Amino acid sequence: EPEVTQTPSHQVTQMGQEVILRCVPISNHLYFYWYRQILGQKVEFLVSFYNNEISEKSEIFDDQFSVERPDGSNFTLKIRSTKLEDSAMYFCASSPQDRATNEKLFFGSGTQLSVL
Amino acid sequence: DQQVKQNSPSLSVQEGRISILNCDYTNSMFDYFLWYKKYPAEGPTFLISISSIKDKNEDGRFTVFLNKSAKHLSLHIVPSQPGDSAVYFCAASGAGGTSYGKLTFGQGTILTVHP
Repeated sequence: EPEVTQTPSHQVTQMGQEVILRCVPISNHLYFYWYRQILGQKVEFLVSFYNNEISEKSEIFDDQFSVERPDGSNFTLKIRSTKLEDSAMYFCASSPQDRATNEKLFFGSGTQLSVL
Repeated sequence: DQQVKQNSPSLSVQEGRISILNCDYTNSMFDYFLWYKKYPAEGPTFLISISSIKDKNEDGRFTVFLNKSAKHLSLHIVPSQPGDSAVYFCAASGAGGTSYGKLTFGQGTILTVHP
């Protein structure tokens, strides 16, 4: 069964450093997302991406965050200057095109980001 | 953000019995509801969904019920199996014409099914 792949599984960084989290969505999917879950809190939406542009972003997704689809397979989340509060599990997800299945997001296993 | 709430942090059930997981929402604009389950070290996995135009959707051992007037949905698992032990998340979408795939999650309920 096709799956969403995320690398690395764990990332440790110093506060103020830039990090790039990488994802390979399912190949025939057209919608891509990033979610995160801070320890002990809910899974929360960050950003959705379609047709090479951001469809929607949450309040969390400020100027420190950016997303990119640099080629036909990868989807990345960049945090320019990490803060302690960015420590969380970051999930990439993708979904097919039609409305009937769009919300059936397929999630990757996540990248645990620890900012020290 | 309390738009989607799962008030039971955990549920323990005997194998073969019914598991009922509950979820409440406050935003009447939500029009699509989903249940995801999550095992440790894995991402959430889609389980079952229901549109707001329906009140029940069934898929094998899993049934989701939606009560729009009460803004409540529930997931029934019958019969429960030890492999069902996981964290179950309720999620909702469609509020305010937002784009597809913007899900609002509940806090999750840890289901433990004892052999």
